Amino acid sequence: QKEVEQDPGPLSVPEGAIVSLNCTYSNSAFQYFMWYRQYSRKGPELLMYTYSSGNKEDGRFTAQVDKSSKYISLFIRDSQPSDSATYLCAMSGMDSSYKLIFGSGTRLLVRP
Amino acid sequence: EADIYQTPRYLVIGTGKKITLECSQTMGHDKMYWYQQDPGMELHLIHYSYGVNSTEKGDLSSESTVSRIRTEHFPLTLESARPSHTSQYLCASRDSASGANVLTFGAGSRLTVL
Repeated sequence: QKEVEQDPGPLSVPEGAIVSLNCTYSNSAFQYFMWYRQYSRKGPELLMYTYSSGNKEDGRFTAQVDKSSKYISLFIRDSQPSDSATYLCAMSGMDSSYKLIFGSGTRLLVRP
Repeated sequence: EADIYQTPRYLVIGTGKKITLECSQTMGHDKMYWYQQDPGMELHLIHYSYGVNSTEKGDLSSESTVSRIRTEHFPLTLESARPSHTSQYLCASRDSASGANVLTFGAGSRLTVL
């Protein structure tokens, strides 16, 4: 079983829709949670970063962490065609290596 | 814009050739990483470095080798490429002094071995 599970999609939504992307994980030691966005033929870029549980908002993006359920989410409000990309969740514990474990990514397509 | 550069971006070569994928960062980050990414699959760590003259193998077994002679430079070498090495290779770096466990990625090198 993978440490981090992420639905690969693709997820197709109309412009303006609210998008919900999710990951589940099995390692209760994870404390750092990230969302990366990866456009086609590009490297991943950091979108959101949270520590431990709770919510974090940045413009149209909201990241949620529920450690009791081992579940993290990324919400995108008023989705735009430019949001079309693959979204990767990533997480790590607090040991000295801070090794990141990535999900396999969800492909999102926002239709104009 | 990320200050981490990978070359070549695309490479098509024949079996048995030696190749080196270059990675350079201008941010002064101490930690650097190489990930392998196949379509629809998670990123797999193949090598990492915590500083000059420090290199370690990652979770995914790889026939490639790396070196870290300078802080800013972390090249990956395949002595004899095979079709099974066809993949995207992503270089990343992190500043451990910042306390944030956040990686900055390069744009990737897409390798095709015929």
